[in-house]
Amino acid sequence: DAGVIQSPRHEVTEMGQEVTLRCKPISGHNSLFWYRQTMMRGLELLIYFNNNVPIDDSGMPEDRFSAKMPNASFSTLKIQPSEPRDSAVYFCASKLAGGPYEQYFGPGTRLTVT
Amino acid sequence: AQSVTQPDIHITVSEGASLELRCNYSYGATPYLFWYVQSPGQGLQLLLKYFSGDTLVQGIKGFEAEFKRSQSSFNLRKPSVHWSDAAEYFCAVGPGGDSSYKLIFGSGTRLLVRP
Repeated sequence: DAGVIQSPRHEVTEMGQEVTLRCKPISGHNSLFWYRQTMMRGLELLIYFNNNVPIDDSGMPEDRFSAKMPNASFSTLKIQPSEPRDSAVYFCASKLAGGPYEQYFGPGTRLTVT
Repeated sequence: AQSVTQPDIHITVSEGASLELRCNYSYGATPYLFWYVQSPGQGLQLLLKYFSGDTLVQGIKGFEAEFKRSQSSFNLRKPSVHWSDAAEYFCAVGPGGDSSYKLIFGSGTRLLVRP
């Protein structure tokens, strides 16, 4: 299996621009997670999907952030408008639903907002 | 509230020396416990996990961890460190039961390996 795929790997954008991060989970996994990692706050869970439905978005920092999962093999995290404080590494992870299965992480997208 | 503490921000060991990374958790019931490793510029890779049964669990790359309920600890060990083990290590705890989705991560321990 190719593992969790994320694109782009690096994104540099100017403040105020829209940013879209993409994720393809492992085939057969029906739980998907978006995390943000920064030096100051560590690894934070932003949102969690189960069977394409958002279950818990309590970690989404504000309305500028939105996430979708239109089908089992694709998810997006959008930031609009972006701000410098959004600069971080964003990870997508997937797992089999229903049990204590481990999460498999993608390589991450490093976002820099200038 | 659930929490995970990794008290060591950095640890430096010599190549070939033994290693122990500490992890303490706070959780009301028996949690599910994980250790992940993150190499620079990479995502997190699972080293090992504990759900139940034998409290000493073996993982990949020669790592092991021991669950000690009385101490609320899940320390990671390796008898002989290799230079390629230099990375950041994260302990994580998840609730048992069907809603075991939400992992709480520790702040990480960065391992440096002296040649």
